[in-house]
Amino acid sequence: GDSVTQTEGLVTLTEGLPVMLNCTYQSTYSPFLFWYVQHLNEAPKLLLKSFTDNKRPEHQGFHATLHKSSSSFHLQKSSAQLSDSALYYCALSETGNTGKLIFGLGTTLQVQP
Amino acid sequence: DAGVTQTPRHEVAEKGQTIILKCEPVSGHNDLFWYRQTKIQGLELLSYFRSKSLMEDGGAFKDRFKAEMLNSSFSTLKIQPTEPKDSAVYLCASLGGLAETLYFGSGTRLTVL
Repeated sequence: GDSVTQTEGLVTLTEGLPVMLNCTYQSTYSPFLFWYVQHLNEAPKLLLKSFTDNKRPEHQGFHATLHKSSSSFHLQKSSAQLSDSALYYCALSETGNTGKLIFGLGTTLQVQP
Repeated sequence: DAGVTQTPRHEVAEKGQTIILKCEPVSGHNDLFWYRQTKIQGLELLSYFRSKSLMEDGGAFKDRFKAEMLNSSFSTLKIQPTEPKDSAVYLCASLGGLAETLYFGSGTRLTVL
């Protein structure tokens, strides 16, 4: 079946350094990919979703590029901020139903001063 | 606009008890989802409703978990009987808006002793 892999459970870096959180997937179809962010004691919120026309989605300084050849949708940001500290989930939708999602295990990003 | 509302925020149950978690989706949203969140499994889909009809009832969770949607603005998730392994955060989400975005509630943290 379809699956999403996030290899890092915890990423710790210093404010101002670039961020890259890994996400790879397995799917029989051409799925839609998503990144959700969950700050402490808050609800998960949509951060980014892939487009069908290969545009690169961007939001709050984050971007991700869907690479079908490598089945990846890594999350990147040029300069980390303290407020970026949160739990990040990569997810896919195989049917186009953007609510029925298969999630990875999540990566906790800790940004230190 | 009000977001997704979940009650209670915290629930403590003894093994074998019956508990009912409640969710009010965003007004006007037709799709409602229940997810379970744990560190070991990440987010797992439990149930999915479209226009109050049950579309998916996650296989591994069928025997003791029952989600219902009696009207378009209210859903419940019943766990009967509870087991310690059910300790998790239960998230309700609804889907809607022009961008078909999934909106999560803040969740109910269940602890089963």
